[in-house]
Amino acid sequence: QVQLQESGPGLVKPSETLSLTCTVSNDSISRYYWSWIRQPPGKGLEWIGHIYYSGSTSYNPSLKSRLTISVDRSKSQFSLKLSSVTAADTAVYFCARRAGYYDGNNYYNWFDPWGQGTLVTVSS
Amino acid sequence: DIQMTQSPSSLSASVGDRVTITCRASQSISTHLNWYQYKPGKAPKLLIYAASSLQSGVPSRFSGSGSGTDFTLTISSLQPEDFATYYCQQSYSIFTFGQGTRLEIK
Repeated sequence: QVQLQESGPGLVKPSETLSLTCTVSNDSISRYYWSWIRQPPGKGLEWIGHIYYSGSTSYNPSLKSRLTISVDRSKSQFSLKLSSVTAADTAVYFCARRAGYYDGNNYYNWFDPWGQGTLVTVSS
Repeated sequence: DIQMTQSPSSLSASVGDRVTITCRASQSISTHLNWYQYKPGKAPKLLIYAASSLQSGVPSRFSGSGSGTDFTLTISSLQPEDFATYYCQQSYSIFTFGQGTRLEIK
């Protein structure tokens, strides 16, 4: 079954760039959309953005100006870069596959599976 | 953005209880509603998609219903492994989640 695993630094300094990678196992990255989602401590989940294997992206407008998501098909990885971070960017970051179907009228989408998440703390 | 409001925010129940969690959208989302289970340190798990479709491998004690703005997740008979936090998520427009319902052992 497909597995996702996040990796990257657990501590980032304010104003620097947060960089994370998600490695996809047991499935081809050349299908589906691949997403990033985060959860700040004590808060709810926030969708960050996603990328299609072709490289097309969609970002949360609240993060768009600081965000880059990219894909490396040769490594079955996709990555997140969030620039100019502040303490508000401290969160558990999850990667997930965006799956779904079209019933002839509507597209239905969901996130499955997810990685276990990685905590990134923004602090000097 | 579409706001998702879950109730209650926390719930205490016993093994064998029937439990219902509610999720309300700030505008109609048809049946573009998913439910997840989350245990700290583990990957969130998809339970229900498109409001009422049970994800493969998920026990049949989990069920979802609703359309428009009001949705429910029901666990018919709580098992020890069901104590977790549950989130709803809409996929009608830019994806947003509810704030979560923490299900605790009474």
